[in-house]
Amino acid sequence: DSGVTQTPKHLITATGQRVTLRCSPRSGDLSVYWYQQSLDQGLQFLIQYYNGEERAKGNILERFSAQQFPDLHSELNLSSLELGDSALYFCASSPSFRMSNYGYTFGSGTRLTVV
Amino acid sequence: LAKTTQPISMDSYEGQEVNITCSHNNIATNDYITWYQQFPSQGPRFIIQGYKTKVTNEVASLFIPADRKSSTLSLPRVSLSDTAVYYCLVGVLNNAGNMLTFGGGTRLMVKP
Repeated sequence: DSGVTQTPKHLITATGQRVTLRCSPRSGDLSVYWYQQSLDQGLQFLIQYYNGEERAKGNILERFSAQQFPDLHSELNLSSLELGDSALYFCASSPSFRMSNYGYTFGSGTRLTVV
Repeated sequence: LAKTTQPISMDSYEGQEVNITCSHNNIATNDYITWYQQFPSQGPRFIIQGYKTKVTNEVASLFIPADRKSSTLSLPRVSLSDTAVYYCLVGVLNNAGNMLTFGGGTRLMVKP
């Protein structure tokens, strides 16, 4: 157990729908990062939040959005889902907005299947 | 972030030492080198991080030559459970906007 909790573990939904993925960072970590991993794209950085504020943005689609709440958990919202959004979505955390000497701690991911 | 190049795949046998080399010709002065391990359907796991020369922990060693244009992850006496994808990343620890970009990684297959 890495200490980063992601729910749900699996999600199956239809095209056009909207889903929310949840992440609780490791205790004491203030930064949360979201990554998407699909078979043909590898691990793609989506977005980073630090202490409730957006810190960095990567290859995140406009149909996707995220936020970090006062209790530091984060949610990734995916809307108007397409078949190509099927992927593993990982959340990672770190103590500050910087990469620590021990890198990032990743959760076990949410597998999203769009049918 | 400096671009990294790693072999796509490697094969080894149980008990052997495995060395995975990563090229990062454009590494900047403040960049650190970090290696992650990922098993299928699991999140990446931090292995080791270094800046120069040699770093060793209970899992692996990281060798970085003086010019820092490459680095080698060394896994001693691998077992079947070391079969995974290994990622090399180069970036700045104190970059406020840092975001780890994972390349394709090296798929290590350990055979009995």
